[in-house]
Amino acid sequence: KQEVTQIPAALSVPEGENLVLNCSFTDSAIYNLQWFRQDPGKGLTSLLLIQSSQREQTSGRLNASLDKSSGRSTLYIAASQPGDSATYLCAVPYNTDKLIFGTGTRLQVFP
Amino acid sequence: GAVVSQHPSRVICKSGTSVKIECRSLDFQATTMFWYRQFPKQSLMLMATSNEGSKATYEQGVEKDKFLINHASLTLSTLTVTSAHPEDSSFYICSAENRQGNEQFFGPGTRLTVL
Repeated sequence: KQEVTQIPAALSVPEGENLVLNCSFTDSAIYNLQWFRQDPGKGLTSLLLIQSSQREQTSGRLNASLDKSSGRSTLYIAASQPGDSATYLCAVPYNTDKLIFGTGTRLQVFP
Repeated sequence: GAVVSQHPSRVICKSGTSVKIECRSLDFQATTMFWYRQFPKQSLMLMATSNEGSKATYEQGVEKDKFLINHASLTLSTLTVTSAHPEDSSFYICSAENRQGNEQFFGPGTRLTVL
């Protein structure tokens, strides 16, 4: 059964730092991986979707990489800002179109 | 494009009552929608897959008679929490799958509090 874990569980940094969030999955037979952002009490915002044929995707200050063989993905946030404070979730599909979510990383960026 | 709405955004009810939550895909048709539940400080857990025109498929451990799902049209799925109890208090999020079947778009969530 697919298991998705994220490290660290929580992170608190001063603004301006470059950050790396990690996502690990046990079954490498995935066809994509997605990163989401969730603000407290809110729904999900999709950040990046990486297809299995891709190694990375970039959107603004965000860069996500995918290494299927090692079962890992990283989300890189450059020059972090207080507005980046949120919970970041990765998710992989299983049984064709269902999603299984990681445990999440709670990020706080302080001024 | 690809906007999903949920209604209500927040609901408080008494124990024993039933609560209906709507999930709508506003600008696309979705034959498949999903319902998730999220407890505080935990990740999302899939409850059920909602298929237009057919019965929902429930994940293991989810009571189908308690969480009634109806997907009567290509843009609307409803989740009814029947005889709600305080332990049903949670954040419920739906998602709608695109036509290609390779991406889900999420609603803003519904906070249910059962007193």
